[in-house]
Formats: sequence, C-alpha cells, structure tokens
Amino acid sequence: SQTIHQWPATLVQPVGSPLSLECTVEGTSNPNLYWYRQAAGRGLQLLFYSVGIGQISSEVPQNLSASRPQDRQFILSSKKLLLSDSGFYLCAWTWGQPEGGYTFGSGTRLTVV
Amino acid sequence: AQSVTQLGSHVSVSEGALVLLRCNYSSSVPPYLFWYVQYPNQGLQLLLKYTSAATLVKGINGFEAEFKKSETSFHLTKPSAHMSDAAEYFCAVSDLSGNTPLVFGKGTRLSVIA
Repeated sequence: SQTIHQWPATLVQPVGSPLSLECTVEGTSNPNLYWYRQAAGRGLQLLFYSVGIGQISSEVPQNLSASRPQDRQFILSSKKLLLSDSGFYLCAWTWGQPEGGYTFGSGTRLTVV
Repeated sequence: AQSVTQLGSHVSVSEGALVLLRCNYSSSVPPYLFWYVQYPNQGLQLLLKYTSAATLVKGINGFEAEFKKSETSFHLTKPSAHMSDAAEYFCAVSDLSGNTPLVFGKGTRLSVIA
C-alpha cells in the first residue's frame, strides 16, 4: 500500500534561518506531488506541485522554493524565513488520475519566532 | 477556471442534529468533486468523492453528498451529528483531465454542541 511521510511534525525557527521540510511517498512510482500551506484561520494555499523529477511548478511567489531530487521525494526550502512563513505545511500526492483525489501527509507545524 | 464556494466558514449544530455543509462549484463541464475532513493538527482525509457515477455518494463516518448539476452543488450531509464530527471540512473540484491541481474551498469549521 502507499504511504506518505512528512517531517518534522513541529518546528520552531528564528527569523532569517533556513528551512527544509521533507516529504516522501512509498509504494508507488511517478506520483504527482504537492505542497500546501495553511495560515491561521485561512484555507489551503497551493505553493508548489511537481509531475516528475526536476519539474516544479510554483503557484505563489514566495521566499520559498521546492525541489524533487528523487521520484518520490519532495522538499520545501527557504534560505531565510520570515514571520509570515509560519503556518501548517501539508504535502500531498496523487497518481495523476483526477478521479483519485489527493492523499495528504500529517503536516508540519512551523512557527517562525 | 474552476472555483469552489463553501457557504459558511463556521457551522454549529447540536449533537444528534442534521449536519449540512454547503458547496457550490463553478465549472464548464461537470467535474470531479471531493469532500475532505481535517482534524486539528492533522492532514486532510478523503471523506467521499463524486466521479460521474451515482449522484448520491456515500462516504466514511456516515456522511453523504449529492451532486446536483442543475444547482452546481455538492452539499455534504449527515443525519445525526456526533461530537467526533467536530472538524474542518473542505470541498474540492478537479477538472476531468487532471492537468491542473485540485481547487479547494476555504473550508467550513463544524462545531458540535452537547
């Protein structure tokens, strides 16, 4: 069966520090991968998605970046965090068949102080 | 472009009462539609989905939703609310090609009062 792993679960980082969040999917190949963010009291904001290794689409201009170094690995990064980067970050995957919907990871709670 | 509107950012019901969470979509053709549930500090879990088969879709935890093309709606219902149903609920729409990401509504927070 397929599983999605996301870590860390919680993270407290100072302003200006770097960020690296990792997401991996097991039990499948060539998944479509997504990074979402939820700010307090707000809905889901799509940040990046990838349909293959090295293919990244950015939905929102940010000081964030994403990379997909391996087929089932999706990394969210920042060189210098801002207070506004605080939020709940969710990774999701799908096979690319639209009727399947997405499977989400358990999320990372990021607090920038 | 597709869009989803969830009416009511917060819905409060009594335990045992009917749950009705509203979702309207905008799409040129009937799309695929989804309802997700999110418990505090957790990821989203798929409740149910409409993929052009039966218009009344049954999901987990006793929830169901009815696709109404004439009303461009996909409202989520449950006959009797439980305390454990308290969560955030998201409606989402996908085009038939799957070439663009799911579009999510802004979510509705359901509170259940004892």
